[in-house]
Amino acid sequence: AQSVTQPDIHITVSEGASLELRCNYSYGATPYLFWYVQSPGQGLQLLLKYFSGDTLVQGIKGFEAEFKRSQSSFNLRKPSVHWSDAAEYFCAVGNYGGATNKLIFGTGTLLAVQP
Amino acid sequence: NAGVMQNPRHLVRRRGQEARLRCSPMKGHSHVYWYRQLPEEGLKFMVYLQKENIIDESGMPKERFSAEFPKEGPSILRIQQVVRGDSAAYFCASSPPSGVSNQPQHFGDGTRLSIL
Repeated sequence: AQSVTQPDIHITVSEGASLELRCNYSYGATPYLFWYVQSPGQGLQLLLKYFSGDTLVQGIKGFEAEFKRSQSSFNLRKPSVHWSDAAEYFCAVGNYGGATNKLIFGTGTLLAVQP
Repeated sequence: NAGVMQNPRHLVRRRGQEARLRCSPMKGHSHVYWYRQLPEEGLKFMVYLQKENIIDESGMPKERFSAEFPKEGPSILRIQQVVRGDSAAYFCASSPPSGVSNQPQHFGDGTRLSIL
């Protein structure tokens, strides 16, 4: 069955520190992978996506993610976290462009940033 | 360029009433998706629609829930005879027509449904 696992429910980092949020997926075909961010009371904003090609993907707000097929992972990274990055982060996988374009989301990682 | 518009932002209903949630996709988008987010959980897919067609409703509860995307006007998610367990945030997303490649889904700000 298709699934996405985000093993870390909460993460706290200090401002200026580096960040890595983990995401593992289970998917039968070549996956389309996404990271979204959600601020409290808001919708989801797309940070970055992987469809094909270079496995290191650059996104908005200084985020990047690396697709590792051998590990079924798509971890999100940022070299230096800002206080405004505090939010909930969701990894998602989809059969984008197939018969159904639905996304399967992980349960999210809530990021807190200490001053 | 307006994004995905959902209304209302907040909706309060009593048990047994009906809830109607509206979603206007981004300009040029003809595919609409509805997701539900329960407290402390990620988003769960409910239904995928194109104009006048339901493409995938595998995530819709079998009873009380329905969705439509008419030729004119917004997409509507309808919940009849609401119960406390329907309290959640409901998100709509849209994407361009098939054939426009590499376009992800864009999300609205959601409707927070509270059942008294």
